[in-house]
Amino acid sequence: EPEVTQTPSHQVTQMGQEVILRCVPISNHLYFYWYRQILGQKVEFLVSFYNNEISEKSEIFDDQFSVERPDGSNFTLKIRSTKLEDSAMYFCASSEAQGNQPQHFGDGTRLSIL
Amino acid sequence: EDQVTQSPEALRLQEGESSSLNCSYTVSGLRGLFWYRQDPGKGPEFLFTLYSAGEEKEKERLKATLTKKESFLHITAPKPEDSATYLCAARRGTNKLIFGTGTLLAVQP
Repeated sequence: EPEVTQTPSHQVTQMGQEVILRCVPISNHLYFYWYRQILGQKVEFLVSFYNNEISEKSEIFDDQFSVERPDGSNFTLKIRSTKLEDSAMYFCASSEAQGNQPQHFGDGTRLSIL
Repeated sequence: EDQVTQSPEALRLQEGESSSLNCSYTVSGLRGLFWYRQDPGKGPEFLFTLYSAGEEKEKERLKATLTKKESFLHITAPKPEDSATYLCAARRGTNKLIFGTGTLLAVQP
């Protein structure tokens, strides 16, 4: 069964450094998402992306964050200058279409900021 | 403000002991209610989508139902492999999913 893959599984970074989280969505999917889950808290929406544009973003997704689809398969989340509070599990998801098509999630990247 | 609340936070069942998990939502213009299963160290795994009040979906020992204010995930005769965190999420007019905090289910043999 096709799946969303994320790399790395765990990233440790010094505060203030840039980090790029990578995702390979399911191949025929057109909509891409990033969510995050701080330990013990809810899964929170960050951003959705379609047709090479951000279609929606949350208040969390400030100027420190950016997303890109650099080629036909990868989808990346960049955090420019990491803060301690960016430590969380980051999940990538994709869906075939919008609406009630389910979003399928990867297993996440655990980001630890020191 | 849109909100999704799940109860109980944790549930311990004996194998074969049926029960239900609750997901209450206050989301204006609900466009879908989603159930996911999350195992430790893994991402959410899609289970069901419910679109309208009265709808029911079933998969093996799980059945999800939807009313205008809440959704239930009924687990019939659970097995230890059903142990996981069950998440519900609501979608409004956009693709953004609003998640609850989940119910941690432990099924003991």
